[in-house]
Amino acid sequence: DIQMTQSPSTLSASVGDRVTITCRASQSISVWLAWYQQKPGKAPKLLIYKASSLESGVPSRFSGSGSGTEFTLTISSLQPDDSATYYCQQYNTYLTFGGGTKVEIK
Amino acid sequence: EVQLVESGGGLVRPGGSLRLSCAASGFTLSNAWMSWVRQTPGKGLEWVGRIKSKTDGGTIDYAAPVKGRFTISRDDSENTLYLQMNSLQTEDTAAYYCSKGVGVHNFFDYWGQGILVTVSS
Repeated sequence: DIQMTQSPSTLSASVGDRVTITCRASQSISVWLAWYQQKPGKAPKLLIYKASSLESGVPSRFSGSGSGTEFTLTISSLQPDDSATYYCQQYNTYLTFGGGTKVEIK
Repeated sequence: EVQLVESGGGLVRPGGSLRLSCAASGFTLSNAWMSWVRQTPGKGLEWVGRIKSKTDGGTIDYAAPVKGRFTISRDDSENTLYLQMNSLQTEDTAAYYCSKGVGVHNFFDYWGQGILVTVSS
């Protein structure tokens, strides 16, 4: 099984800050990686697929990069509505999720 | 508008069974790769299993922890996805989501609201 490791597990940042979340795969997954945002009591929402493709309707302050085993999700200017938990998910071989990164607003 | 609505959750004793339903609207279920994903506070998001579209053979795959106990099926006339869960264990306690895959990929553009399954004596 491919293991996905996210860091940090939590982060606290101010409105307007640039925020970066990292996801590492235990083996190469090419670009077959998605990012989701989840708010309490809600289902995950797709943000990014194929490592860097922005899902329709998602604000352009969200971006993804990486290939192989290392990936990042960047929020260029953190907004209050971005307070949530973010998950990466590989879909190179079946699928597995990272452990999540909780983003809090200072 | 695409909608997925799960039902059938609840409290069940260890060793018991439960069947979850996921009613789809806004698209044809048999044309999509559909998955069940569960979430617990301790283990996070965990893929349970997937059924491919009819045109891709309708193949069904399961995650190791549920293989042999859970069964995914689909009723095309009702546009509904099912998850039959047998021999339930306390570790199966989770919120269960049905999710729609994008094309032939295992990432998801639509999710249901989630349904809670509690396995406890």
